[in-house]
Amino acid sequence: QKEVEQNSGPLSVPEGAIASLNCTYSDRVSQSFFWYRQYSGKSPELIMSIYSNGDKEDGRFTAQLNKASQYVSLLIRDSQPSDSATYLCAVDNAGNNRKLIWGLGTSLAVNP
Amino acid sequence: GAGVSQSPSNKVTEKGKDVELRCDPISGHTALYWYRQSLGQGLEFLIYFQGNSAPDKSGLPSDRFSAERTGGSVSTLTIQRTQQEDSAVYLCASSPSSGGSYEQYFGPGTRLTVT
Repeated sequence: QKEVEQNSGPLSVPEGAIASLNCTYSDRVSQSFFWYRQYSGKSPELIMSIYSNGDKEDGRFTAQLNKASQYVSLLIRDSQPSDSATYLCAVDNAGNNRKLIWGLGTSLAVNP
Repeated sequence: GAGVSQSPSNKVTEKGKDVELRCDPISGHTALYWYRQSLGQGLEFLIYFQGNSAPDKSGLPSDRFSAERTGGSVSTLTIQRTQQEDSAVYLCASSPSSGGSYEQYFGPGTRLTVT
């Protein structure tokens, strides 16, 4: 059973701090990794994708991938109250179809 | 450009009735996915289409659930003889198939309430 695991949280950080969200995955063959943000009552929104080991930066967001450790993380710098949401990690299932394996999400609360 | 659209946005139905949910994917996206999300829960995969074919129907909860896709575009998810446990948000996502790209883009969802 292929799995993606995330700490459910809630993760609480003060405004302006760095929020660090973590995700581990079970299938060593996976090649594509995604972070989605889901506000309460809304659908998931893709915020970052990463395919190679190392860091990928986009504005205040940095995704980090370590395939040897089967670990992917999302850093949010200068956290804002508007970043308060659930963050979902998704990983390709490295099979013959195009499904993603989803984590259950980490709830982030940024306190003013 | 236009994103994924779903209709209706909300549907209230009586137990035992049939419902149809519609998804319009992003133009040119050949892969289409249906998920279900109950309140406070994670995404539950239902079915995946590549073009008009459904290579993976493994997530459909029972034979009351069916889905089709026509013209490689619009998809409908049909739930027959609805039950109260079918109440959830039904999400559709589409994905391009080119270049090994797996990212999925979601529609706003249909909130189904079975009374």
